[in-house]
Amino acid sequence: AQSVTQLGSHVSVSEGALVLLRCNYSSSVPPYLFWYVQYPNQGLQLLLKYTTGATLVKGINGFEAEFKKSETSFHLTKPSAHMSDAAEYFCAVSAPYSGAGSYQLTFGKGTKLSVIP
Amino acid sequence: DAGVIQSPRHEVTEMGQEVTLRCKPISGHDYLFWYRQTMMRGLELLIYFNNNVPIDDSGMPEDRFSAKMPNASFSTLKIQPSEPRDSAVYFCASSPYRADNSPLHFGNGTRLTVT
Repeated sequence: AQSVTQLGSHVSVSEGALVLLRCNYSSSVPPYLFWYVQYPNQGLQLLLKYTTGATLVKGINGFEAEFKKSETSFHLTKPSAHMSDAAEYFCAVSAPYSGAGSYQLTFGKGTKLSVIP
Repeated sequence: DAGVIQSPRHEVTEMGQEVTLRCKPISGHDYLFWYRQTMMRGLELLIYFNNNVPIDDSGMPEDRFSAKMPNASFSTLKIQPSEPRDSAVYFCASSPYRADNSPLHFGNGTRLTVT
């Protein structure tokens, strides 16, 4: 079984400030990790993902996330917030398919990011 | 690529009525997922299909919910009879292969309101 915890259901930052959205996971096997973004009245779209290899992952719109196994974290960052970054962000964890059992992708509850001009 | 297409975008119905939500996945995607999003419970997986076959429907809340995928380009989620607690945004998503490391492609959702 796996789970995702996103700290802070709502985060506000000033335009130009650092964006930091926190995600911690639990998984009994090495996980795949994702960040999705949801703009108002739209579906979720992938920002970035970690599967294997380099632990610092770069995504779209200047976002990046670092997989830290020792901290079971996958925090999302962006050096300078834009007004257009205002949206809800979801962290998700998936277990590699072992050939048995069902699909296992678990989403966090989401963090709504507000950007203050 | 038109993306995942859902219809209708909004649905308002009275308790007890039948509701049918529709989804057209991205062509060539073998996996189709139905999710429900509410403030209280977040995103919940209801059911998913592989090559038009339902694989796991353990997330379907009750027998009032049913889903079908008669062909590779169309799926429906039906609620009969509907209840106010079914009010939510329902998303359809598709993926080209088993989505352990493959991202999901979401539609824009159907906002269902049951009065």
